[in-house]
Amino acid sequence: GESVGLHLPTLSVQEGDNSIINCAYSNSASDYFIWYKQESGKGPQFIIDIRSNMDKRQGQRVTVLLNKTVKHLSLQIAATQPGDSAVYFCAETPGSGYSTLTFGKGTMLLVSP
Amino acid sequence: DTAVSQTPKYLVTQMGNDKSIKCEQNLGHDTMYWYKQDSKKFLKIMFSYNNKELIINETVPNRFSPKSPDKAHLNLHINSLELGDSAVYFCASSQTNRVSNQPQHFGDGTRLSIL
Repeated sequence: GESVGLHLPTLSVQEGDNSIINCAYSNSASDYFIWYKQESGKGPQFIIDIRSNMDKRQGQRVTVLLNKTVKHLSLQIAATQPGDSAVYFCAETPGSGYSTLTFGKGTMLLVSP
Repeated sequence: DTAVSQTPKYLVTQMGNDKSIKCEQNLGHDTMYWYKQDSKKFLKIMFSYNNKELIINETVPNRFSPKSPDKAHLNLHINSLELGDSAVYFCASSQTNRVSNQPQHFGDGTRLSIL
């Protein structure tokens, strides 16, 4: 079946570096994409989202890029901090019907001081 | 202050028992969900309720029965617990059940361990 997946299971960076977490999706009907951050013992926390009619969206220290041609999504975190250490998930929903989230496998981001 | 709250946070029980997990949201959302997260952190939808009505029921065993007394609450009852039910169960909510630019908000999970 169609799914959303991540390239890197673990990403280790130094504090202050920029981090890029990638996600590939296979459902061309996907219309809305979300990045979630999950800290240990917590639930997924919304970071940023993007609709399929956009290719870039910026938040505070985070940017999401969407390339529909190659079905690729990325999350860029500027000036990564130790508090950014967590598992990051991309999720997608189809363009119609009920709101169901399909999650990718998750990438662990480890930030060293 | 908590938007989506689940109880209990931890649940340890023996195989064959029946247990319930409760969820409440104070966001005024119409739609609530249950997800299961396995040991590899993979998150998968189980159920979705909109205004107390079941709208999504993924291929989940009949031993799992959600109940929504009102749109702010969605509980999950599990009968005859099995070892494979060990996981973290997350409740979530969203404004409506239709796709749009609205994220789902998650609780902090219930870690269920079957002995």
